[in-house]
Amino acid sequence: GAGVSQTPSNKVTEKGKYVELRCDPISGHTALYWYRQSLGQGPEFLIYFQGTGAADDSGLPNDRFFAVRPEGSVSTLKIQRTERGDSAVYLCASSYDPAGELFFGEGSRLTVL
Amino acid sequence: TQLLEQSPQFLSIQEGENLTVYCNSSSVFSSLQWYRQEPGEGPVLLVTVVTGGEVKKLKRLTFQFGDARKDSSLHITAAQPGDTGLYLCAGTPNDYKLSFGAGTTVTVRA
Repeated sequence: GAGVSQTPSNKVTEKGKYVELRCDPISGHTALYWYRQSLGQGPEFLIYFQGTGAADDSGLPNDRFFAVRPEGSVSTLKIQRTERGDSAVYLCASSYDPAGELFFGEGSRLTVL
Repeated sequence: TQLLEQSPQFLSIQEGENLTVYCNSSSVFSSLQWYRQEPGEGPVLLVTVVTGGEVKKLKRLTFQFGDARKDSSLHITAAQPGDTGLYLCAGTPNDYKLSFGAGTTVTVRA
């Protein structure tokens, strides 16, 4: 597609459930990023992929969060045992290379009840 | 604690007025970026400033990077309702990890 695509756009789940959020980057972009944006805040870095490998996962808040990018294109952010504090908009971005302009998707709004 | 502090947090002005948004840090950045984000959308890059003292203009928007590369400002002249949105500054302590400010919500009333 023309831009970064994220699904689902909205996800409502119950505390303790497992959630997967998907990101389809711009074709040809090797760098992929996940950010989390809470209400009234700027995006907060979670993880960065260069190709298939996670080059920096230092922003993941704890071991309930995990992300993969098995073929160097689509990425999935996985959250286990969701908590109410995980509620936020999860943004994905891609760039042609690490120093290039970031293009963001519209985000996946996660609500944990 | 955010690396970049933005002020003000909220700004509401009448169409035709001018406004300035500030972005400050105690750290030096190799570059700073400004984004605009509308509800339900991801941030969209407006400009990147890389040289201390640099001034860039984008139509009615003027961006300035401080001489010490620790601060930046965004000035909008004759604001229009279409300028309404969340303005975010962001910097990279390294090559790839963007650190964002909390943003300034700008509302331009018709």
